[in-house]
Amino acid sequence: AQSVTQPDIHITVSEGASLELRCNYSYGATPYLFWYVQSPGQGLQLLLKYFSGDTLVQGIKGFEAEFKRSQSSFNLRKPSVHWSDAAEYFCAVGSGTALIFGKGTTLSVSS
Amino acid sequence: DTAVSQTPKYLVTQMGNDKSIKCEQNLGHDTMYWYKQDSKKFLKIMFSYNNKELIINETVPNRFSPKSPDKAHLNLHINSLELGDSAVYFCASSQGDREGEKLFFGSGTQLSVL
Repeated sequence: AQSVTQPDIHITVSEGASLELRCNYSYGATPYLFWYVQSPGQGLQLLLKYFSGDTLVQGIKGFEAEFKRSQSSFNLRKPSVHWSDAAEYFCAVGSGTALIFGKGTTLSVSS
Repeated sequence: DTAVSQTPKYLVTQMGNDKSIKCEQNLGHDTMYWYKQDSKKFLKIMFSYNNKELIINETVPNRFSPKSPDKAHLNLHINSLELGDSAVYFCASSQGDREGEKLFFGSGTQLSVL
């Protein structure tokens, strides 16, 4: 069965430091993979998605993610975190029409 | 000029009541969804409609009944509300129903059942 695991429940990063959020997936075929961000009191916004092609995907707000088939991973990165990046981050895999989400990683940014 | 709007934003009600949450999208999308986010922030698909037809119906109590009067609207009616129904409910839409579509989410309805 398809599943998504985000091993880190909560991460705190200093403003200006680099960020990596981990995501592992389980999927039978080549997956569609997504990262969404949820700001407090808001709906989810797509940061980036991957299906095929270049395994390094660029997204909005300076985020990127790298697909590694051998590790079944799709980790999200940002070279320099801003205070406004504090939010909940969800990794998801496409399953037919719907998305299967991980349980999310809460990012806190300290000054 | 909200793309996916849902009302109300907050809903507080007593056990046993019946309530509805409305969702509208002005993106011209064919497919709409309801997702439930529990207290641990876990998001799970409940329903999906494509052009007013039900295409996904996950294991959800039949007290939950979606209604799509047209492809721009997908409302969620809940009968006999229970404490466990307390959650944030998100409406979303996508251009079509193919795998890999980008979803556009509403800002959520926080339902509290007392």
